[in-house]
Amino acid sequence: EAQVTQNPRYLITVTGKKLTVTCSQNMNHEYMSWYRQDPGLGLRQIYYSMNVEVTDKGDVPEGYKVSRKEKRNFPLILESPSPNQTSLYFCASSSRSGRNSPLHFGNGTRLTVT
Amino acid sequence: GQNIDQPTEMTATEGAIVQINCTYQTSGFNGLFWYQQHAGEAPTFLSYNVLDGLEEKGRFSSFLSRSKGYSYLLLKELQMKDSASYLCVLFNFNKFYFGSGTKLNVKP
Repeated sequence: EAQVTQNPRYLITVTGKKLTVTCSQNMNHEYMSWYRQDPGLGLRQIYYSMNVEVTDKGDVPEGYKVSRKEKRNFPLILESPSPNQTSLYFCASSSRSGRNSPLHFGNGTRLTVT
Repeated sequence: GQNIDQPTEMTATEGAIVQINCTYQTSGFNGLFWYQQHAGEAPTFLSYNVLDGLEEKGRFSSFLSRSKGYSYLLLKELQMKDSASYLCVLFNFNKFYFGSGTKLNVKP
């Protein structure tokens, strides 16, 4: 089944403790991206990747890192999480660099930073 | 951002037709998507417009007018399962810009 898999679904952590949210897709998509969703603000793009070893900032990259060492994986790293990073996170992928191609979303990761 | 505006919430009756509007302020973009998102779930793709005009996909249609900075999503023969948020999304220079979404409540 074609899908984007995120893990974990729920995560509670403390300020400053490094964490990684994994994202993997099995559709051979070139384009992958991360979003956070906050009430009243909609989804905002954190980082995106056009292909292996090619990443770029979205609208809200501060406090996040990403890597794209393999085509299928695009982990999101929070080196020193803070309470303002409490949010619902989605990973998504699409083919042909997103052009004319819809995003396929993972099921989301609800992160709470205390 | 792209200053994407959508109504926050709408209510409609089962079996009816509803139009969800989206306005934006941007000098140019590659295309405009519409997504559906049920509460607590991931968004799912509904429709895509790159040229002006109407795109029809079953009960769902989407319209785009670039000159007017305007799009709408039309849902026909509303069903209870259509109760969800509807997201207007611009794609421009490899980035996606999401509106805050319109929560649609379908009542019997």
